[in-house]
Amino acid sequence: GAVVSQHPSWVICKSGTSVKIECRSLDFQATTMFWYRQFPKQSLMLMATSNEGSKATYEQGVEKDKFLINHASLTLSTLTVTSAHPEDSSFYICSATNEGRSTDTQYFGPGTRLTVL
Amino acid sequence: AQRVTQPEKLLSVFKGAPVELKCNYSYSGSPELFWYVQYSRQRLQLLLRHISRESIKGFTADLNKGETSFHLKKPFAQEEDSAMYYCALKASTGFQKLVFGTGTRLLVSP
Repeated sequence: GAVVSQHPSWVICKSGTSVKIECRSLDFQATTMFWYRQFPKQSLMLMATSNEGSKATYEQGVEKDKFLINHASLTLSTLTVTSAHPEDSSFYICSATNEGRSTDTQYFGPGTRLTVL
Repeated sequence: AQRVTQPEKLLSVFKGAPVELKCNYSYSGSPELFWYVQYSRQRLQLLLRHISRESIKGFTADLNKGETSFHLKKPFAQEEDSAMYYCALKASTGFQKLVFGTGTRLLVSP
């Protein structure tokens, strides 16, 4: 149980286009989901925290108009990279907490590799 | 501000040798600390958490508040332990935000 999926697993896009990444909790309700970014051989950097039905909370330095986050249901959060540029190329990882199980463990998705040409 | 430091990028040991992956933290409040592991081509997963005081796959970690450390230890490393290990600290804000260290790659050779 407690599986988180991401789609797509990898995407290549042209500079200036927008890309949407989905994060789903498959067998539990996730009231809170997190979006991370990971550069090669570096740690995970939290971008934003999203709660179902409310606006995402962005970390300092993360442009909310650039990285649009929507958490419309208890099983789905989306991250849209708007007007993507090559410097947005990275590995994007989501995680979700299963508060229904009385645990604050974060369950991670497999990640999405974005390459912007 | 919360900060997690993992001083070693790579730790290479032979099978059967003891392992200690170092983690130090900076936090003004009462910390909750975790170790996450990422095996090759797999997603990040929780290995253990300090409040559980458990041993998972032979690994243990003790929170030392005096030294602000949460080192991960295993007395006899196995080849299947080879992975990327991240120490993480849970922030005091209400959204259970995790702050990760930069990670240590453990390589266990036969």
